[in-house]
Amino acid sequence: AQSVAQPEDQVNVAEGNPLTVKCTYSVSGNPYLFWYVQYPNRGLQFLLKYITGDNLVKGSYGFEAEFNKSQTSFHLKKPSALVSDSALYFCAVRVRTDKLIFGTGTRLQVFP
Amino acid sequence: DAGVIQSPRHEVTEMGQEVTLRCKPISGHDYLFWYRQTMMRGLELLIYFNNNVPIDDSGMPEDRFSAKMPNASFSTLKIQPSEPRDSAVYFCASSMGGSISGANVLTFGAGSRLTVL
Repeated sequence: AQSVAQPEDQVNVAEGNPLTVKCTYSVSGNPYLFWYVQYPNRGLQFLLKYITGDNLVKGSYGFEAEFNKSQTSFHLKKPSALVSDSALYFCAVRVRTDKLIFGTGTRLQVFP
Repeated sequence: DAGVIQSPRHEVTEMGQEVTLRCKPISGHDYLFWYRQTMMRGLELLIYFNNNVPIDDSGMPEDRFSAKMPNASFSTLKIQPSEPRDSAVYFCASSMGGSISGANVLTFGAGSRLTVL
């Protein structure tokens, strides 16, 4: 079955430190992978996507994600976290041309 | 563009009442999605449309739920009769499926928070 998993419900990091939010996937064929962010009382916002090419994808707000085919992972990273990065982060995978499935979300808390 | 517009933002109703949620997608987007978000179940895809035609409604919980898209600029999600377990935040999202850059890049509305007492 095609699926996406976010193993951590919450990630805590101090401001200025690097952050990683983990995502693993299971799909048939080449994966199309996405990260979205949700701020309180808002809808999800697109951050970045991987379709093909360079394994390191750069996105909005200084975020990047690394695609690792052998580990079937697509972890979200940022070199230096900001308090304003605190939000709910969702990994998603395309399961057919026009359909995404989302992970359960990881709450990122950045402490001053 | 004002983005995806949803109404109402908040709805409190009593069990058994009919609820109608509305969505205006971004002009030019040919896909429209309805999602439901709860603490227990996360983000669930209920139904989606392409060029106003329903493509996949397998996520609709039961017959009490129905969705329509009469034209490219308007969609509704209706619950009749509503039950307390329908309490959730309902999101509408749209995307431009025909372009490589836009495919699967969803723009979400702010959501409609439904509380059924």
